[in-house]
Amino acid sequence: AQRVTQPEKLLSVFKGAPVELKCNYSYSGSPELFWYVQYSRQRLQLLLRHISRESIKGFTADLNKGETSFHLKKPFAQEEDSAMYYCALISAQKLVFGQGTRLTINP
Amino acid sequence: DGGITQSPKYLFRKEGQNVTLSCEQNLNHDAMYWYRQDPGQGLRLIYYSQIVNDFQKGDIAEGYSVSREKKESFPLTVTSAQKNPTAFYLCASRLPSGGFTGELFFGEGSRLTVL
Repeated sequence: AQRVTQPEKLLSVFKGAPVELKCNYSYSGSPELFWYVQYSRQRLQLLLRHISRESIKGFTADLNKGETSFHLKKPFAQEEDSAMYYCALISAQKLVFGQGTRLTINP
Repeated sequence: DGGITQSPKYLFRKEGQNVTLSCEQNLNHDAMYWYRQDPGQGLRLIYYSQIVNDFQKGDIAEGYSVSREKKESFPLTVTSAQKNPTAFYLCASRLPSGGFTGELFFGEGSRLTVL
């Protein structure tokens, strides 16, 4: 079955420190993976997709098929990065989400 | 102002009552989705609809029902059969392209509390 696992419910780092939010998946075939973000009092929105290989708000994510991972990284955290982050993959015209990680950036 | 509108934002219900959550979009999107968001469990798919007059069950459809009579509207009914209905419900839609690019547009959500 297609599944997305985010092992950390909560992650807290200091401003300026590197951030890595973990995401592992199980999928038969070539997965399409995404990171969504939900800032306080805002709607859930797409942050980035692996196929674009882009950096958004300083975040990047690399698909590692060997480790079945799609970790989200940022070299220097900012306070405005505090939010709920969800990893997701496409399965049969639907998005399957992970459990989410709440990231808190301490000043 | 284009987008997805969910109503009501907050709803209280007594046990044994059905309640309907509204989801309307003016984005001309074909596909619409209902997710349930619970702390520590992420988003779980309840129902989705690819086209008018057609919908499919998601992973946790038991105790819920939907209809899709109009392209713009995809209401969700939480029935008394749903054992643990207190949750935050999110509606979403996507662009009408043939293939799914992975981008969903979400509403602001409806928080249902069963007393």
